[in-house]
Amino acid sequence: AQSVTQLGSHVSVSEGALVLLRCNYSSSVPPYLFWYVQYPNQGLQLLLKYTTGATLVKGINGFEAEFKKSETSFHLTKPSAHMSDAAEYFCAVRVNNNDMRFGAGTRLTVKP
Amino acid sequence: KAGVTQTPRYLIKTRGQQVTLSCSPISGHRSVSWYQQTPGQGLQFLFEYFSETQRNKGNFPGRFSGRQFSNSRSEMNVSTLELGDSALYLCASRVSRGNTEAFFGQGTRLTVV
Repeated sequence: AQSVTQLGSHVSVSEGALVLLRCNYSSSVPPYLFWYVQYPNQGLQLLLKYTTGATLVKGINGFEAEFKKSETSFHLTKPSAHMSDAAEYFCAVRVNNNDMRFGAGTRLTVKP
Repeated sequence: KAGVTQTPRYLIKTRGQQVTLSCSPISGHRSVSWYQQTPGQGLQFLFEYFSETQRNKGNFPGRFSGRQFSNSRSEMNVSTLELGDSALYLCASRVSRGNTEAFFGQGTRLTVV
């Protein structure tokens, strides 16, 4: 069964520091992978997605993720954290032809 | 183009009551999925509707049901509410079932007391 595991429920970084949020997937078929961000009392906003092709995917707000099949990983990074990046981040994998299975989420805190 | 609209945003109900939540997808989107989000269980898939038909269902009891109208708007209903049904209910729309990108609404926060 397809699933994702997010390593670390909380990550804290200083403003300007590198952001690294980890996601590993389990899939018997080439996966479609996603990162979403959720601000308090809001829905989910798509940051980026991997379907096929280039393994380094660039998203919105300066985020990017690299699909590494050998490591079954799809970690999310941003070179320099901003206070506005503080939110909860979800990794997800598409299941079958329709919906998604989400990770447990990682709450990112950015310290001034 | 308007985004996914969920109404109401907040709702308080009493145990044993029933509730109906509404989702209007992005114009032209025909696939609507529902998710429940709780601190303990995270984001869990409830069901998906496409062309007024339920196409897939998650592992939830029969108290949770839904439907989709010809204009693609969808409603979900929860009967005989339990305290554990308190959650943020999110709706996501896609152009079609095979499309990879899902757009989420802001959710309906349901509190059962």
